[in-house]
Amino acid sequence: DADVTQTPRNRITKTGKRIMLECSQTKGHDRMYWYRQDPGLGLRLIYYSFDVKDINKGEISDGYSVSRQAQAKFSLSLESAIPNQTALYFCATSPRAYNEQFFGPGTRLTVL
Amino acid sequence: AQSVTQLGSHVSVSEGALVLLRCNYSSSVPPYLFWYVQYPNQGLQLLLKYTSAATLVKGINGFEAEFKKSETSFHLTKPSAHMSDAAEYFCAVSDYGNKLVFGAGTILRVKS
Repeated sequence: DADVTQTPRNRITKTGKRIMLECSQTKGHDRMYWYRQDPGLGLRLIYYSFDVKDINKGEISDGYSVSRQAQAKFSLSLESAIPNQTALYFCATSPRAYNEQFFGPGTRLTVL
Repeated sequence: AQSVTQLGSHVSVSEGALVLLRCNYSSSVPPYLFWYVQYPNQGLQLLLKYTSAATLVKGINGFEAEFKKSETSFHLTKPSAHMSDAAEYFCAVSDYGNKLVFGAGTILRVKS
């Protein structure tokens, strides 16, 4: 079984809809991250969390919110989706500072 | 703030030729540097990382990278390209140990 899972893997939604992307991990890591990937822009950090009670904004948090329900679960919400939020979204985990991050398979989101 | 520049959004090599993907970084503190690979429709996988133990770092699949502080570079190389190396490659620098800052990515094409 994969260590970092994301659901759904693909989602098509309409402008104005609320949508939640979920991430679960079995690696036992405290640190979790949400990124979006756009062609030619690499990965940009949306939110990150170092433990259940710690939530931090990344460089592009506007229009997004997150919830850390447990050490293993970190959800990303788009309260009112807009077309420029069409992107590939990745969840990642890390055990500690200066360590590499481990990525999920991604969620491809299309907002019409 | 840390930043990463990857020179060349697309690189094309012939099978068996040298692969050279360029990465320059900016960091006000001793950097931790990473190379990740993304195969089509997959998440990111760590190729190798530099953590100040040795300037020449060997990774998976025959890749290696050399840290050059004077040039603020961390270029990725492989002596002989294989068709299976076709993917997108990302260089990243650790932001004070807590976050990763990614470059825009380089798409490697391998010609037969």
